[in-house]
Amino acid sequence: QKEVEQNSGPLSVPEGAIASLNCTYSDRGSQSFFWYRQYSGKSPELIMSIYSNGDKEDGRFTAQLNKASQYVSLLIRDSQPSDSATYLCAVRGFGNEKLTFGTGTRLTIIP
Amino acid sequence: GAGVSQSPSNKVTEKGKDVELRCDPISGHTALYWYRQSLGQGLEFLIYFQGNSAPDKSGLPSDRFSAERTGGSVSTLTIQRTQQEDSAVYLCASSGSGRAWNTGELFFGEGSRLTVL
Repeated sequence: QKEVEQNSGPLSVPEGAIASLNCTYSDRGSQSFFWYRQYSGKSPELIMSIYSNGDKEDGRFTAQLNKASQYVSLLIRDSQPSDSATYLCAVRGFGNEKLTFGTGTRLTIIP
Repeated sequence: GAGVSQSPSNKVTEKGKDVELRCDPISGHTALYWYRQSLGQGLEFLIYFQGNSAPDKSGLPSDRFSAERTGGSVSTLTIQRTQQEDSAVYLCASSGSGRAWNTGELFFGEGSRLTVL
């Protein structure tokens, strides 16, 4: 079982709709969870972090964490063509300083 | 510049040759990471340096891979006797200490694309 799993996609969403990206992780002791966005040919950049169960909102982005289910998700409201990218889920374990990344979900927003 | 700098940006080598990839992190950042990304794949952790602590080498795929960080700043990733499966983009990232580190924000360089023929 991979440490961090994501559906590779591609996920196609119409412009203006909600894009939902999901991630599961295997280490129950994981403490910190992150979503990175990677445009084609570019390096990843951090867009959201979440540490506690529940929702965290930042503009059009909402991260959701459920530690009991070992599940973290990212919702993008009012999707824009500029949101088309690969979204990488990353997890940091307790006392473990490295970030483990999933394989990413490729999102395409259709105008 | 103020970002993470990597060199070379592109490297084409023949199977069996050694290569060195360099990373210059953001000034003052104590943590430095190397990841590898193959075409269409996620980021594969290779090695992590934090300050003067012993590096976490748990991700290095074989003993052909090694890395060092001199003076707590510049890092070099060395791949000996390269193989075709080593072809990938090698990404370096750094992060600061304290609160900045705890946010999990890694600042990535543009990567070194390695092609082994």
